[in-house]
Amino acid sequence: AAGVIQSPRHLIKEKRETATLKCYPIPRHDTVYWYQQGPGQDPQFLISFYEKMQSDKGSIPDRFSAQQFSDYHSELNMSSLELGDSALYFCASSRIGATNEKLFFGSGTQLSVL
Amino acid sequence: RKEVEQDPGPFNVPEGATVAFNCTYSNSASQSFFWYRQDCRKEPKLLMSVYSSGNEDGRFTAQLNRASQYISLLIRDSKLSDSATYLCVVNGGSSNTGKLIFGQGTTLQVKP
Repeated sequence: AAGVIQSPRHLIKEKRETATLKCYPIPRHDTVYWYQQGPGQDPQFLISFYEKMQSDKGSIPDRFSAQQFSDYHSELNMSSLELGDSALYFCASSRIGATNEKLFFGSGTQLSVL
Repeated sequence: RKEVEQDPGPFNVPEGATVAFNCTYSNSASQSFFWYRQDCRKEPKLLMSVYSSGNEDGRFTAQLNRASQYISLLIRDSKLSDSATYLCVVNGGSSNTGKLIFGQGTTLQVKP
C-alpha cells in the first residue's frame, strides 16, 4: 500500500540558508500534518492543512511557512535557518471523517544545520 | 506541564516479562487515544488505538480511564523485537479531527 512520501531524506544546510521539505500524503488523504522531532525529544506539532487550508497551528516559528497544493502535497519552507532547527521533520496524513482517524507518518527528513 | 505525560524510563526487562506503561493527559475534551511505537530515528508507527472499553491485540492490551485521564499499555511475553520507544498519543481537540499530541515516550529495552 502507498505510504506518505517525504523528500529529501537528508538535508544539510548552513545557518541563515533556506530549506524546503516536501510531503506527498497517502492517496485520498485530505489532511497533512507537520511535526518536528529534536534529538531525544517527542514529536512537536508544527502545522496542519485540510483541503488546502491551514487547519491548525502549533509551535511553528515565524521563519517557517507551509502550504498544501491542489494535488494535496505539502511543502514546509524554512528560512534563516538556525542551529536549533536541526531535527527530524515528519509529515503525516489522515482522512478527515474516518472513524477514529489515525495519522500515518512518512519516514521523515533529517535536517542538519551547520 | 506537558499535555501528555509519560514516564520516560528506560524500562529494562528480560525476554518473556510483562511490562506496563502509563500515561496521563490534561485535555479532558480529548476524544481519540493511541499508542505509537518509534524505533530509533524512524517514523512513529501506530501500534493500537485505545478504546474506553479497553482493547487487546495479541500480546498488547490498552486501557483508558476517562475519569482519571489515564491511559495504559500492557505488553505480555516481551520479545527482543519489542525494544523501542512507546509514545502515548492524544487527540488535541474535542473532535476526532485535528492534531495529535505526543507524550515524551517510554523507552523499552528487552534483553535476552
